[in-house]
Amino acid sequence: KAGVTQTPRYLIKTRGQQVTLSCSPISGHRSVSWYQQTPGQGLQFLFEYFSETQRNKGNFPGRFSGRQFSNSRSEMNVSTLELGDSALYLCASSPNAGTYYGYTFGSGTRLTVV
Amino acid sequence: GENVEQHPSTLSVQEGDSAVIKCTYSDSASNYFPWYKQELGKRPQLIIDIRSNVGEKKDQRIAVTLNKTAKHFSLHITETQPEDSAVYFCAASKTGNQFYFGTGTSLTVIP
Repeated sequence: KAGVTQTPRYLIKTRGQQVTLSCSPISGHRSVSWYQQTPGQGLQFLFEYFSETQRNKGNFPGRFSGRQFSNSRSEMNVSTLELGDSALYLCASSPNAGTYYGYTFGSGTRLTVV
Repeated sequence: GENVEQHPSTLSVQEGDSAVIKCTYSDSASNYFPWYKQELGKRPQLIIDIRSNVGEKKDQRIAVTLNKTAKHFSLHITETQPEDSAVYFCAASKTGNQFYFGTGTSLTVIP
């Protein structure tokens, strides 16, 4: 069965622009979480969605937002991009909220802000 | 919130030797501790995990130990091979879908 699919794989944006990243979970998975990965900070939790509702949110500014659709696909949006937003953005899906098993990462979207 | 610290940040071992990576966590409510391996340009992949009601878990050459009292857990890789070279991340969770990660250990196995 197909894994977690993230699009696009690479993105270059200019400071001040906004960007939307997409994540399609494994078929049947209903929970999607997003992480930002940078060399200095490692993986940091952004937010988690289940049944189109945000369940948890990490410590990121309001410029970072997300949503989940009825088919469990999720998007995250970053507005007013800053140079420091350059990172690998990973999403992970799991069958249900609050479950540890089946938690699977996608390959990520590499965002470069210039 | 939870704070996970991971040491060392880089580790080089000779092929066949053992490698040990250590993590500490701050939130005593955390009850699930996975370890992920991330090869260059690839997604993190779960290699082993442990729940808080277990002290040790083993899977072939990989083992994880957990000391709840001291709030630390460790990854042990025996008989290392060049294909074990990667970045390893520890994580802690109490909610199941929100993980707090360590900053990673870059492991190099020298043939």
